[in-house]
Amino acid sequence: ELKVEQNPLFLSMQEGKNYTIYCNYSTTSDRLYWYRQDPGKSLESLFVLLSNGAVKQEGRLMASLDTKARLSTLHITAAVHDLSATYFCAAKTSYDKVIFGPGTSLSVIP
Amino acid sequence: DTEVTQTPKHLVMGMTNKKSLKCEQHMGHRAMYWYKQKAKKPPELMFVYSYEKLSINESVPSRFSPECPNSSLLNLHLHALQPEDSALYLCASSQELGLAGGPGTYNEQFFGPGTRLTVL
Repeated sequence: ELKVEQNPLFLSMQEGKNYTIYCNYSTTSDRLYWYRQDPGKSLESLFVLLSNGAVKQEGRLMASLDTKARLSTLHITAAVHDLSATYFCAAKTSYDKVIFGPGTSLSVIP
Repeated sequence: DTEVTQTPKHLVMGMTNKKSLKCEQHMGHRAMYWYKQKAKKPPELMFVYSYEKLSINESVPSRFSPECPNSSLLNLHLHALQPEDSALYLCASSQELGLAGGPGTYNEQFFGPGTRLTVL
């Protein structure tokens, strides 16, 4: 059964700093997703990663995928307050289910 | 139109009530999903419809009854709910399910704004 873990679960970082959120999944998956969720809101799709070595960037966020290590990373560059949110990674199983990680609650402080 | 809409935004119901949640998309997507999300937890899959047929039921109690009247609409009928069923209910849609969308396609899920349900 596919399990998805994220590290850290809580992250408080200063504006202007860089940090990385890690997402590990337990079995083979052909799609890895990153979502953002603001408090009380729905999920916003950030990235979809398909293949080993895939790297995608949008603004201050960059996601990568290493299928051999079953690891995806979400790198935050020069954090700003607007990035404060909960970030979920999710992996698709061979049975078409999407399993979410527990989420990383990010707070960017001045 | 790249939007998934859900109504109502908020719903308060008693344990003996019957109510329905509605979800609609006009992106031509053929897969639609219901998720339940408790506070500070990730979304949990409840049901998946593919081409208007129920494809996945994650052992959800029968007091939740999904319905897909056509390719654009997804309903969730609620009856005799318990207070622990209070949560944010999210609908999502995607182009296709799994490999039917092709292994090289993104097939990302687009989420609606959710219905915040409170059961008294």
